[in-house]
Amino acid sequence: ETGVTQSPTHLIKTRGQQVTLRCSSQSGHNTVSWYQQALGQGPQFIFQYYREEENGRGNFPPRFSGLQFPNYSSELNVNALELDDSALYLCASSRTGKDTGELFFGEGSRLTVL
Amino acid sequence: EDQVTQSPEALRLQEGESSSLNCSYTVSGLRGLFWYRQDPGKGPEFLFTLYSAGEEKEKERLKATLTKKESFLHITAPKPEDSATYLCAVQAATGGQNFVFGPGTRLSVLP
Repeated sequence: ETGVTQSPTHLIKTRGQQVTLRCSSQSGHNTVSWYQQALGQGPQFIFQYYREEENGRGNFPPRFSGLQFPNYSSELNVNALELDDSALYLCASSRTGKDTGELFFGEGSRLTVL
Repeated sequence: EDQVTQSPEALRLQEGESSSLNCSYTVSGLRGLFWYRQDPGKGPEFLFTLYSAGEEKEKERLKATLTKKESFLHITAPKPEDSATYLCAVQAATGGQNFVFGPGTRLSVLP
């Protein structure tokens, strides 16, 4: 069974730039969620995708957007990067969208904004 | 608003010294409470799900329990490899898809 994989593992951007992070979900999972984890804090929910549509969103501005593809992989896009966007971005997959069970996380993408 | 707090913030134990971590929550109806382990620079690793007060789950040296307002993660005779940050999260029964995480407890087990 293939786990959740994320790319890139690390990246550095400057303020105002745009970034795309990618995630392949665990086999058999059709729901993908994205979380932001600042240093020393717990993960914060950004949004979830189920059947290629956004299925819930946390308190993040519209410059955070996403996509889910027919193979259940996903992208997180962040426009107009700010210094506070520096964080570990975690992708998590789960089996269903309506009755989400356990989340299974990838290793994360560490974003540094200078 | 759903909230999760965890205590202590950090805990240092000697190998073999048992202890408990606390997770207190307020949620508009609990669908599930989840415990995760996170190693530095890695994604959280799923440990347990608890659904109702009185429920208990065990895995090796870890045991999780749940009441109506809090959960405990008991660590019996810990080993250095148990050192990690332990995260607690809740999912509300109100139809929301998000998990609300606490800030975690950083556990260090010294040999």
